[in-house]
Amino acid sequence: DAGVIQSPRHEVTEMGQEVTLRCKPISGHNSLFWYRQTMMRGLELLIYFNNNVPIDDSGMPEDRFSAKMPNASFSTLKIQPSEPRDSAVYFCASSRGQGNNEQFFGPGTRLTVL
Amino acid sequence: GNSVTQMEGPVTLSEEAFLTINCTYTATGYPSLFWYVQYPGEGLQLLLKATKADDKGSNKGFEATYRKETTSFHLEKGSVQVSDSAVYFCALSDLVDSSYKLIFGSGTRLLVRP
Repeated sequence: DAGVIQSPRHEVTEMGQEVTLRCKPISGHNSLFWYRQTMMRGLELLIYFNNNVPIDDSGMPEDRFSAKMPNASFSTLKIQPSEPRDSAVYFCASSRGQGNNEQFFGPGTRLTVL
Repeated sequence: GNSVTQMEGPVTLSEEAFLTINCTYTATGYPSLFWYVQYPGEGLQLLLKATKADDKGSNKGFEATYRKETTSFHLEKGSVQVSDSAVYFCALSDLVDSSYKLIFGSGTRLLVRP
């Protein structure tokens, strides 16, 4: 099992540019989560999907952020336009969607917006 | 709403010392409880879990007992090692619209000195 796969691992971009982060969940998992981690705000849940349907996007900070899950094996988180305050590590996680099942985290994407 | 409160860090210990990291929760119903660990530069990974009252989760010498009467899930280890230096997150499962997400605490950084 390859685990949760995220790409790219590192992204450096300039303010105003569009950024797309990608995630491939573990096969057979039907829940997918996007988190953001910063020193100031800690770990924040941005959005999560169940069976490819967005369930709760209340953590998405602004309209500049959007997420999609077109199929069970792929999700994207897009920031357009990006701002320096978006600099953070973005994690994707997946689970089987049951209460006592663990979430498996990817290695994260470190985003730096200059 | 449901929430998790952890002791603030950092916690600094000498090798072979006893570790306790406090975690308390507020929840309706009977959530499952988790401890996750994040090593430097990595994503979170499950350390242990407990699914009902009085359950004890254990792994790698760490233990935590689900205490419903005190709404606590404190993490303990009898003898820490330098390699245990990491950030530890307490979490509970939360059922929203027939799907589960995790509510994380703010994390506690542990530094073990040789």
